[in-house]
Amino acid sequence: QVQLVESGGGVVQPGRSLRLSCVASGFIFRTYGMHWVRQAPGKGLEWVTFIWFDGSKKYYADSVKGRFTISRDNSKNTLFLQVNSLRAEDTAVYYCARDAGRGVSREVYGMDVWGQGTTVTVSS
Amino acid sequence: DIQMTQSPSSLSASVGDRVTITCQASQDISNYLNWYQQKPGKAPKLLIYDASNLETGVPSRFSGSGSGTDFAFTITNLQPEDIATYYCQQCDILPLTFGGGTKVEIK
Repeated sequence: QVQLVESGGGVVQPGRSLRLSCVASGFIFRTYGMHWVRQAPGKGLEWVTFIWFDGSKKYYADSVKGRFTISRDNSKNTLFLQVNSLRAEDTAVYYCARDAGRGVSREVYGMDVWGQGTTVTVSS
Repeated sequence: DIQMTQSPSSLSASVGDRVTITCQASQDISNYLNWYQQKPGKAPKLLIYDASNLETGVPSRFSGSGSGTDFAFTITNLQPEDIATYYCQQCDILPLTFGGGTKVEIK
């Protein structure tokens, strides 16, 4: 079945780094754009970043630009999020999600498949 | 960035009721509006895409309407398993933005 499984979260001190991973299965990963979305404790959903199916274009929320880097390895069906210079406000559940990719008229269509999330806690 | 204003932030209704949530975009987004359901401790789930299209496998008691800046999401015949928080999301322009969410509870 179509599945996304995240890993790599944990408790980290402010200013440190983490690398989140998301392994995809059940679909042709290399043909889909992918997102990371986060949710702070008790808060709503916040889009973080998006990468094209081939990795050629990447977009970021202003809140993470310059600190987070999205990448993918299509040979391993894996999406990554390198998170650097972590701040307390980055504490959240991080979800990877597949873009629905319903056509070619738009760049993004929203998220039709989600992982279970991985928790990042930034605390001293 | 496009701001999405969702209301109400919470509501309480009885089983069998009709429930409506509204979402307003800060600029015209055509029909590029999705609705998600998130149950406690779970990942969001796509219910409606492009304002009014039901995602495969989603019960027909869920529906959406609207275009431009004003949108609505309706649950007819509310069921106990519909307890969740619902989010609208615009997918017209990056950065994608979500509404603040509506928590639906059963009376």
